[in-house]
Amino acid sequence: EAGVAQSPRYKIIEKRQSVAFWCNPISGHATLYWYQQILGQGPKLLIQFQNNGVVDDSQLPKDRFSAERLKGVDSTLKIQPAKLEDSAVYLCASSVLRGDTGELFFGEGSRLTVL
Amino acid sequence: GNSVTQMEGPVTLSEEAFLTINCTYTATGYPSLFWYVQYPGEGLQLLLKATKADDKGSNKGFEATYRKETTSFHLEKGSVQVSDSAVYFCALSYGGSQGNLIFGKGTKLSVKP
Repeated sequence: EAGVAQSPRYKIIEKRQSVAFWCNPISGHATLYWYQQILGQGPKLLIQFQNNGVVDDSQLPKDRFSAERLKGVDSTLKIQPAKLEDSAVYLCASSVLRGDTGELFFGEGSRLTVL
Repeated sequence: GNSVTQMEGPVTLSEEAFLTINCTYTATGYPSLFWYVQYPGEGLQLLLKATKADDKGSNKGFEATYRKETTSFHLEKGSVQVSDSAVYFCALSYGGSQGNLIFGKGTKLSVKP
């Protein structure tokens, strides 16, 4: 079974520039998550989708971050304009919805460096 | 609100030493509990889980028991190896539509030969 795919793996941009990350979840997983992991910290949820609807985006900085999940499959996370403090690894994860125990499957992450 | 607290690292052990990484949680109801591991240069992966009180999760020689009375889920291994060097994250989740994971800050383990 293919895992969660993310791209790009690495991105370096200057502050005030924009960047987009892409995620393709495991086939059949209804729920998709974007997490932000700053160096030395645990991952923090940015947004959770169930199919193509947003379940929780309470911690998403909506003035600069946006995310969409068209057709309930893959998803894109965008940052515009980027700030220095956005330097982090952006993790995408997916899970089954019904009857699951909360286990999430993670991609390898997209590492963003903002200069 | 829901939260996870785990012991701060880094933890440095010699090979074959006993490992304990403490984890306690604050949550309403009955979450599932997890340990995820992040090896150098790799993504997060599930190490073990427990879905109800008194359950013991185990994998690769690691164990953790879901203790509702002490709201704890401590990770243990009887004899660590150099290959266990990684960052370990304790996490909780309610599954389903509330299934997002809430993570602790992580504990870095270094095992020396």
